[in-house]
Amino acid sequence: QVQLQQSGAELAKPGSSVKISCKASGYTFTSYDISWIKQTTGQGLEYIGYINTGSGGTYYNEKFKGKATLTVDKSSSTAFMQLSSLTPEDTAVYYCARGLGARWFAYWGQGTLVTVSS
Amino acid sequence: DIQMTQSPSFLSASVGDRVTINCKASQNINRYLNWYQQKLGEAPKLLIYNANSLQTGIPSRFSGSGSGTDFTLTISSLQPEDVATYFCLQHNSWPRTFGGGTKLELK
Repeated sequence: QVQLQQSGAELAKPGSSVKISCKASGYTFTSYDISWIKQTTGQGLEYIGYINTGSGGTYYNEKFKGKATLTVDKSSSTAFMQLSSLTPEDTAVYYCARGLGARWFAYWGQGTLVTVSS
Repeated sequence: DIQMTQSPSFLSASVGDRVTINCKASQNINRYLNWYQQKLGEAPKLLIYNANSLQTGIPSRFSGSGSGTDFTLTISSLQPEDVATYFCLQHNSWPRTFGGGTKLELK
């Protein structure tokens, strides 16, 4: 069965960076894009972007350009998202997700809580 | 970006009630609208895709309708396990955008 296993919670200081991982299993990793989504109490769900796991090509929501960097390691079937120049506004739960045709985000990771605090 | 406006933001209903949740897009999104259920502490779960197609394994009491700019999620007979927050998502245009959510509680 399709599984997306994310890395654990992060506590980071303002101005620093964090890198979250999303390890896929149960399917051919390079056949599907991986998307990343931010969830906060105030802003709800926001789409960050996706990475083509075969080519490494990326799409970023304009709002997250310069903030998020998406990469993959095909050898370990893992997608990564690095968040840079962290501010308290980056405090959120971040999800990776995969679709199936029109079934956007049919599969989700369990979420990674990133807390930015001095 | 396409704005997705959900209503109501909060809904209280009794077991067995018919429940409807609405989602309005700021421009035509055809039928490219999905619905998700998120229980406390969990990741969202896909319920409905392309406005009215039921995702595999989802109970038939869930249904979706609409096209263009106005969409509805209906729960025909509310069950205790349906307590959750519900979100819509448009996948007609980039970036994908979500509705603000509807929190459903039992009366």
